[in-house]
Amino acid sequence: EDQVTQSPEALRLQEGESSSLNCSYTVSGLRGLFWYRQDPGKGPEFLFTLYSAGEEKEKERLKATLTKKESFLHITAPKPEDSATYLCAFQAAGNKLTFGGGTRVLVKP
Amino acid sequence: DVKVTQSSRYLVKRTGEKVFLECVQDMDHENMFWYRQDPGLGLRLIYFSYDVKMKEKGDIPEGYSVSREKKERFSLILESASTNQTSMYLCATLGHYGYTFGSGTRLTVV
Repeated sequence: EDQVTQSPEALRLQEGESSSLNCSYTVSGLRGLFWYRQDPGKGPEFLFTLYSAGEEKEKERLKATLTKKESFLHITAPKPEDSATYLCAFQAAGNKLTFGGGTRVLVKP
Repeated sequence: DVKVTQSSRYLVKRTGEKVFLECVQDMDHENMFWYRQDPGLGLRLIYFSYDVKMKEKGDIPEGYSVSREKKERFSLILESASTNQTSMYLCATLGHYGYTFGSGTRLTVV
């Protein structure tokens, strides 16, 4: 069965303390791996799409990477405004997304 | 920018009521989705639609139905609301650049 697991469930960081979030997946025929940011009471906001192993994408303090079995979201020198829940999801056959449980990130000043 | 608008941010309904959750998009996207989000369970797909009047069950369709009479509007229907349907409901569309989500409707069934 296709599935995706995110770790850790929660992460507390000091401002400036870099860290990485993990998204591991087992899926046949991966068409895309997505990262979203979700703030409390709001819908997920698109961050990145990765399509093939070895691909990397960056946006401000965030960098997403993809291997054949997992993806990482690296947060470099985070700021309090980076506090959010980060979701990963994969797209296999068809157009639907399958989501992981998310990682809640809290960055303290 | 693609806009996905969910008509209500918060709803409180009684057990047994028929509930309609509305979602409207402004980018002529063919694919639309309804997810629910619960603590510890993440986002789970309820139904999706790839064209007008076309629908497919997702992973948890029981207790729900959908309607897509026009391309821009995708409605989620709870025929007889129950307390276990208390949740955050998220609508999404799929366009050329990926998925766009609405802001969500937090439904409480009492």
